[in-house]
Parts: sequence; structure tokens; C-alpha cells
Amino acid sequence: EADIYQTPRYLVIGTGKKITLECSQTMGHDKMYWYQQDPGMELHLIHYSYGVNSTEKGDLSSESTVSRIRTEHFPLTLESARPSHTSQYLCASSEGGTANEQFFGPGTRLTVL
Amino acid sequence: SQQGEEDPQALSIQEGENATMNCSYKTSINNLQWYRQNSGRGLVHLILIRSNEREKHSGRLRVTLDTSKKSSSLLITASRAADTASYFCATDGGGYSTLTFGKGTMLLVSP
Repeated sequence: EADIYQTPRYLVIGTGKKITLECSQTMGHDKMYWYQQDPGMELHLIHYSYGVNSTEKGDLSSESTVSRIRTEHFPLTLESARPSHTSQYLCASSEGGTANEQFFGPGTRLTVL
Repeated sequence: SQQGEEDPQALSIQEGENATMNCSYKTSINNLQWYRQNSGRGLVHLILIRSNEREKHSGRLRVTLDTSKKSSSLLITASRAADTASYFCATDGGGYSTLTFGKGTMLLVSP
């Protein structure tokens, strides 16, 4: 069982609200990632981080932002949620080595009305 | 993009049968990984095969890699109903690259 946690697990909110999805890991991993996944579809990388104070945009353009102030914490923020943001958001982490095996959290399923 | 493409998109078998899933990719890789995802959950790492390896086993899993054809296969032997899940391949280009996931194969194992 991976020691990576995401909260909330489910979130239903109205359009225009600001939301923060939390992700924490206790494995001391340097690298962390956020993926967006629609039901039955592939994962799209939206943000990643190599370590504290490092954030990079992924392959899929996203209106969300991330921060990495502490090694164990990698929150994702949407300033103004829209129905097009409805999706599942998966957080993952990996060690800094070359193998890059990723450990995933359980995901947050976001629905914007 | 070196995105992997899994084949088939969906597979339905009976318990006890073997399940084979294939993955093709486009560019050179450092390693290729297979992950499993139960419905509505996060992914779980199954096995990693490096570019200089041709075959790897882990329990009932067997993975092959053919870098000349840019393809990999995942074989699950003696499948069980609990193997029902989606299976994704992911390619790692090495260095500072990130993983690129394929579209996945949905496996249904009926009792």
C-alpha cells in the first residue's frame, strides 16, 4: 500500500468556486505529479515537480496551478472552477532515481456543476 | 510524443484463462512499466522492464519487450475475477523525462 494520500476523495461544487486538491506523501520522494483522467480514458500529465520550489507544466494544458513548499505536500488549485474541469485528478510520487516507478494516491473525483 | 498504445482496448475472458495485452510506442525508451487500475482508484505499479531486458516475470505476470518493434506485451496467466481492472503501459524516456501512459486495456474476468 502506497503512502500517498489525496483529499477530498469526492468533491461536487458550483461554477466559479476556488478549490484546492490536497496531496501528501510520506515516502520522502523528490518527484511528484498531477494527472487528469476522464472515465475509461488515458492519464494526462498536467503538473510535476522535481523537488521543493520546483514546478513544471505537463503535456496537457491546465488552468490549475500547483506549489511545492514542502517535500511531502503538492497541492493543486483551481481559482475558478468550470464544468469543463469535471474529471478525476490523480496525484503520484517517485524517487529521484532513474527507474521512475510511480506511486499513486486514490484520486479525487471532481464534479463542477 | 512517445505515448504507448494498448491493444486490445477491452478483453473479456473466463477465470483460469490467460490474458495478453500489447503495448506499442513511438520513440526510444529507458524502461517500460505496466500499471493496474481498479475502477475509480489510483494506479498500482506492476512491473518494470528495462530497455536492455527482453522478458521479466513476477508471479503470474510475464512481460516481454521488443525494442526493435517498439512493443511490449503483458501476459497474466491463470486469471482470476480479482484481476478485473484496466491495465496501462507507461514509457520512460530516461533522464529528466516523465512517464507517458497509454490508453489502457480494460480486462474483465468472469467467474
